[in-house]
Amino acid sequence: EAQVTQNPRYLITVTGKKLTVTCSQNMNHEYMSWYRQDPGLGLRQIYYSMNVEVTDKGDVPEGYKVSRKEKRNFPLILESPSPNQTSLYFCASSLLQEDEQYFGPGTRLTVT
Amino acid sequence: GQQLNQSPQSMFIQEGEDVSMNCTSSSIFNTWLWYKQDPGEGPVLLIALYKAGELTSNGRLTAQFGITRKDSFLNISASIPSDVGIYFCAGRTSGTYKYIFGTGTRLKVLA
Repeated sequence: EAQVTQNPRYLITVTGKKLTVTCSQNMNHEYMSWYRQDPGLGLRQIYYSMNVEVTDKGDVPEGYKVSRKEKRNFPLILESPSPNQTSLYFCASSLLQEDEQYFGPGTRLTVT
Repeated sequence: GQQLNQSPQSMFIQEGEDVSMNCTSSSIFNTWLWYKQDPGEGPVLLIALYKAGELTSNGRLTAQFGITRKDSFLNISASIPSDVGIYFCAGRTSGTYKYIFGTGTRLKVLA
């Protein structure tokens, strides 16, 4: 089944403790992206990747890092999480950047 | 960061009624997308628009890419209870790889 998977689905952590949210797609898509969703603000793009080893900042990249060492995986790294990064995070992928994006199920992160 | 203006923010309608929502942008877009998000799920693509003036249907849903390329609307005809959810527009400007999402329209259908 074609899908985008994220892990974990829920995470509660403390300020400053490094964490990684994984994202994997099995559709051989080139384009992958991370978004955060906050009430009243919709989805805001954090980082995106056009292909392996090619990444770029979205609208809200501060406090986040990504890597794209393999086509199927696009992890989101929070080196030192802060409470303002409490949010619902979505990973998405598409065959090419102009194509429709398929979204993962989301990761709800709480930073205390 | 730039965001799209999406309206209305929320709607309460009776089952069977038609629904209309729209998005406007200060920038010209070359792609407009409409998504629906159910509680606890990721957004699911409903309709994709790639050309100014394009009118595309998907069942009871119809979306149009505005002639000015700065707006788009989504219509849902004869709403049913499972139409409940949050609807998002998203757009991409030419020459970029970034998608910008609207703030969403929360739809509630009263049986």
